[in-house]
Amino acid sequence: GQNIDQPTEMTATEGAIVQINCTYQTSGFNGLFWYQQHAGEAPTFLSYNVLDGLEEKGRFSSFLSRSKGYSYLLLKELQMKDSASYLCAVMDSNYQLIWGAGTKLIIKP
Amino acid sequence: DVKVTQSSRYLVKRTGEKVFLECVQDMDHENMFWYRQDPGLGLRLIYFSYDVKMKEKGDIPEGYSVSREKKERFSLILESASTNQTSMYLCASSRSSHDLNTEAFFGQGTRLTVV
Repeated sequence: GQNIDQPTEMTATEGAIVQINCTYQTSGFNGLFWYQQHAGEAPTFLSYNVLDGLEEKGRFSSFLSRSKGYSYLLLKELQMKDSASYLCAVMDSNYQLIWGAGTKLIIKP
Repeated sequence: DVKVTQSSRYLVKRTGEKVFLECVQDMDHENMFWYRQDPGLGLRLIYFSYDVKMKEKGDIPEGYSVSREKKERFSLILESASTNQTSMYLCASSRSSHDLNTEAFFGQGTRLTVV
């Protein structure tokens, strides 16, 4: 079956760096997405990786290793507004998105 | 500004009622999706549509149906609401599936409670 694994919850301190991991097993691969979802709100797009390596976008970076079925989202200079759930999703060979359960990130002052 | 709009933010319905959730997108996207989101579970796909009048079952279609009569509108129908359908329902749209990086845009969600 298809599976996306990510930690349920993480805690970090304001100003610090945090890495949220995602491992996947899917039938085919057409890219990996990260979304941010604040409580009670809709998910919003953060990043897309289809090739191995690191994609940097401001304070957020996303890394992909297709051979390992692994990705991480790196958040730097954490701010209180970064408290949210972070969703990992993989597009499979049928161009369907397979979603992880999300990682709830708690930022403490 | 791109937009996916769901008709209701909060909804309370009685068991056995027929429930309609409406979703409209203004981006001329081919693809539209209905998900439900429950604590501890990922987004689960109920139904999706690649084109007008076309629909495909997702992972959990039982108890639901959909309608797409116009490109911009995708409706989710609960034929006879049950308490286990209490959930957050999210509508999303995206460009054609065969374009990679088909970022999905989500509506604000409808929190449905069935009593």
